Amino acid sequence: DSGVTQTPKHLITATGQRVTLRCSPRSGDLSVYWYQQSLDQGLQFLIHYYNGEERAKGNILERFSAQQFPDLHSELNLSSLELGDSALYFCASSPRLNIDTQYFGPGTRLTVL
Amino acid sequence: AQSVTQLGSHVSVSEGALVLLRCNYSSSVPPYLFWYVQYPNQGLQLLLKYTSAATLVKGINGFEAEFKKSETSFHLTKPSAHMSDAAEYFCAVSDHPVGQFYFGTGTSLTVIP
Repeated sequence: DSGVTQTPKHLITATGQRVTLRCSPRSGDLSVYWYQQSLDQGLQFLIHYYNGEERAKGNILERFSAQQFPDLHSELNLSSLELGDSALYFCASSPRLNIDTQYFGPGTRLTVL
Repeated sequence: AQSVTQLGSHVSVSEGALVLLRCNYSSSVPPYLFWYVQYPNQGLQLLLKYTSAATLVKGINGFEAEFKKSETSFHLTKPSAHMSDAAEYFCAVSDHPVGQFYFGTGTSLTVIP
């Protein structure tokens, strides 16, 4: 158990809908990273937040957004969902700003029908 | 731009045999390099990391990796494979302490009894 929790575990929704994925980092970790894992794209870095501020952006679509709240939990919002958004979404946390060991959550499996 | 190449999407070894998983990267600056392991239906777990200290890095579960700048490689090895090593292995790289994080496409390791 990494100490990182993600909810929900599974999410099934329809095209065009909007969903929110939640991540609670390990106690004391200030950095939260979001990743998308799919069969065709592999594991892709989406975005990094540190202590409430966005610090790095990867291949994140404009339909996707994220935020980190004062209690350090983070949410990833996916809107206007398409079939191709079906994937496993991981968050990871780390104690510091600089890149270091990341502790991954178990993931949220999103299925868009 | 950064990139990571993992040669061999599937590797099979006999129990007790040497494990060698290959990772090559492209970077114009000294990189931060990581190996992660993913067991079925789980999140990723750090095996080891290189952050410009010793070139030979020892990780968990008997794994180690050697950073070879001249070959731009960071191959993962283990002298003797165990059945429990069967999993997906990902090499990852970043060229900046705060920035994008790039994963390879992964290598699925099968251990044959």
